[in-house]
Amino acid sequence: AQTVTQSQPEMSVQEAETVTLSCTYDTSENNYYLFWYKQPPSRQMILVIRQEAYKQQNATENRFSVNFQKAAKSFSLKISDSQLGDTAMYFCAFMKFRGAQKLVFGQGTRLTINP
Amino acid sequence: GAGVSQSPSNKVTEKGKDVELRCDPISGHTALYWYRQSLGQGLEFLIYFQGNSAPDKSGLPSDRFSAERTGGSVSTLTIQRTQQEDSAVYLCASSLSTGGLAEQYFGPGTRLTVT
Repeated sequence: AQTVTQSQPEMSVQEAETVTLSCTYDTSENNYYLFWYKQPPSRQMILVIRQEAYKQQNATENRFSVNFQKAAKSFSLKISDSQLGDTAMYFCAFMKFRGAQKLVFGQGTRLTINP
Repeated sequence: GAGVSQSPSNKVTEKGKDVELRCDPISGHTALYWYRQSLGQGLEFLIYFQGNSAPDKSGLPSDRFSAERTGGSVSTLTIQRTQQEDSAVYLCASSLSTGGLAEQYFGPGTRLTVT
């Protein structure tokens, strides 16, 4: 079975700073997908960024980028020039490439951006 | 267009009662997922529907939980004889197809409190 671990329950940074959220996972699969989701107080989960394990290039989406280390089974999220609207819970998630289509989530990191 | 909607947004019930939670997916989305988010926890997969295929029920925690999807659209999650440990936010998601490249769009969830 796959597991996802987020070792930072809470983080806090000042607006405009850069912050990195950690995620490690365990799987015997060779191909899979990794995701970062954001959950603001409204509870609605929003996809931030996705990485396909068969791609070596790290995914980027505007101020959000990942550092994907397949051998180390590490998938961290970097938020540059953080904004107050980035305040939310962030979840790392795993999905198999084939078979069960469910997302396996980590426990989440509560990120607070301070003015 | 309209996103995933869920009703009710909040539900308080007495221990031992049955509850029904409703999910309206995005029109045209063939895949539908239910997840549970307990306090301070990540999301836990419950059940997955894809088209006319048999649902993947592997995440349902007990036989008190069941779900159906009528006409390939609306889904209802039913919890019989509710227990206090069932208290959680129940999230529904839908996607246009299946696989990691098909983004799962989440609804705002139903917060269930069992007293």
